[in-house]
Amino acid sequence: DGGITQSPKYLFRKEGQNVTLSCEQNLNHDAMYWYRQDPGQGLRLIYYSQIVNDFQKGDIAEGYSVSREKKESFPLTVTSAQKNPTAFYLCASSGGTGDPTNYGYTFGSGTRLTVV
Amino acid sequence: GENVEQHPSTLSVQEGDSAVIKCTYSDSASNYFPWYKQELGKRPQLIIDIRSNVGEKKDQRIAVTLNKTAKHFSLHITETQPEDSAVYFCAGSSASKIIFGSGTRLSIRP
Repeated sequence: DGGITQSPKYLFRKEGQNVTLSCEQNLNHDAMYWYRQDPGQGLRLIYYSQIVNDFQKGDIAEGYSVSREKKESFPLTVTSAQKNPTAFYLCASSGGTGDPTNYGYTFGSGTRLTVV
Repeated sequence: GENVEQHPSTLSVQEGDSAVIKCTYSDSASNYFPWYKQELGKRPQLIIDIRSNVGEKKDQRIAVTLNKTAKHFSLHITETQPEDSAVYFCAGSSASKIIFGSGTRLSIRP
């Protein structure tokens, strides 16, 4: 999958549950990002990390949490505080110095989360 | 922060004709403008990008133009083919993150 792997591809969550989406890259990229995509809409930034052990909130961080303990991994937890979590979640990474203005993004294949 | 607006939201063109998608951005410090193509159920793929020190860039049937003064940039697809049908996103960079437009669903009529 182009060096960035998201799992699972489909995920079902019951009301009140936390779930964690996995994102792993072997591209040696410094920066990683999580976006949410709703049907017929664009990509909205949830969280991003430019270096290990550091991350920043994006535009819609409420109800989500992340960690960046390893360069290769940037898992996203969707907590019960996220009231409308059903969406397509995309992870991305960017190379070099981690500044996407130099390299742009490589995207994972996405996880489709549905609340049941 | 950066705000990117994209028009139109849907576009239908006859096969062989040209398609144009337009975007505006708000942050004058933005210096990188990529375009992504997303087919149904798949990940976005970078198709072309332009930096702020360049006014136009072309790659086969795809071209992008940038007007820094007006904060406009556009995607031009010539001689459209059925495989061009997809959702296209423009984007602008701001503070080491990329902000996306809302997308244009392009349909190619046979």
